[in-house]
Formats: sequence, C-alpha cells, structure tokens
Amino acid sequence: EPEVTQTPSHQVTQMGQEVILRCVPISNHLYFYWYRQILGQKVEFLVSFYNNEISEKSEIFDDQFSVERPDGSNFTLKIRSTKLEDSAMYFCASSLGPPQNQPQHFGDGTRLSIL
Amino acid sequence: SQQGEEDPQALSIQEGENATMNCSYKTSINNLQWYRQNSGRGLVHLILIRSNEREKHSGRLRVTLDTSKKSSSLLITASRAADTASYFCATDETSGSRLTFGEGTQLTVNP
Repeated sequence: EPEVTQTPSHQVTQMGQEVILRCVPISNHLYFYWYRQILGQKVEFLVSFYNNEISEKSEIFDDQFSVERPDGSNFTLKIRSTKLEDSAMYFCASSLGPPQNQPQHFGDGTRLSIL
Repeated sequence: SQQGEEDPQALSIQEGENATMNCSYKTSINNLQWYRQNSGRGLVHLILIRSNEREKHSGRLRVTLDTSKKSSSLLITASRAADTASYFCATDETSGSRLTFGEGTQLTVNP
C-alpha cells in the first residue's frame, strides 16, 4: 500500500539554526499538510498546501516557517531559526482530494530536538 | 470542552472484549475521522464518517456520529493485543481544510 515517507526520522539541531524536514507524499495525492505533536500534547495543524500554494495555515505557522514543493515528489517544511519550543514530532500528510471528502494519510514523522 | 475531546483518556480491557471510545466536538463539521497511533509512530487512518452519515462499519470497527449532540463513538469488537494503541478522533470543520485532533484515548488490550 502506498505510504507517506518522511526523512530524517530524528533531527537534532542547535537553537537558531535552520532545519528542513522532508516528505514524499503518496504519488497521486494533490493536497499536502504538516502537523506537529509536542510530547504529551495533541496533534496540531500547521499548514495545508494545494496547487503550489498555501491554502490554510494556523497561528503556529509564523514567518519562521515555510513550505515548498520543489519538484513533483517532495514536500518540505523549513524552520528558519529554530527555538527550543519547536521541539516536537512533525508529521506530513497527504490526501487524494479535498479534506472534506478524503482522508489524510500520515507519515511516521520526524522527531525534531532543539538543543 | 475543546474540539475533538475523547473519553475515556485511558481504557484497559482483556483480549476478546469490546472497546468503546467517545469523542465530542464543538463546531460544524464536514466529516469526522478516527486514527490510531502506535507508540512513537505516525497516525494510521481508520475510518471517515461524513456529517450526513450516522453509522459506518469497517471490519471490527463501528463508528457512529450524532451531529445533534456533536459526538461520535468508535467501537472495536473482539479486541486483540495488537489493538493496543492511542486512538484519536479528528474533525474536518466546514470552515477550513485542517483536521482538529482530540487528546486521544490510550487503549491497552491485555492478552
């Protein structure tokens, strides 16, 4: 069964450094998402992306965050200057159609640790 | 209560028993989805129920949705030790494209 793949599985970064988290969504999917889960807390929405532009973003997704689909297969999340509170599990997801009608399929996540 | 709150927070049962988890939400929704998360892993989609549906089945899973009470339940029948995981409901609100997750129910199925 096709899956969403994320790399790396664990990223350790010094505070203030830039980090790029990578995702390969399911190949025929058109809608892409990033979520995060701080240890012991709920999964929180960050951003949704469709047709090469952001369709929705949350309050968490400030100017330090950006997303890109640099080619036909990858979907990346960049954090420009990391803070301690960015430490979390980051999940990429994709869906075949609009979220009103189609389930979102998640990757196994990247654990981001900021030192 | 917040959007997508599950109860109970933790549930421990014996193999073969049924497990019922509940979810409540506050806003209008397009659909409600249930996900499973094994420790340290990603979220696995289990079932999606649309706002105009009242009940849905998938294998040993049965989901109900009551939009008048803004609540849903997930029933796992004849549970197995491999069902041990956290279960989350997530709502797709009519106002956007995000999923809003609850706190989850930690299910432990004892062999």
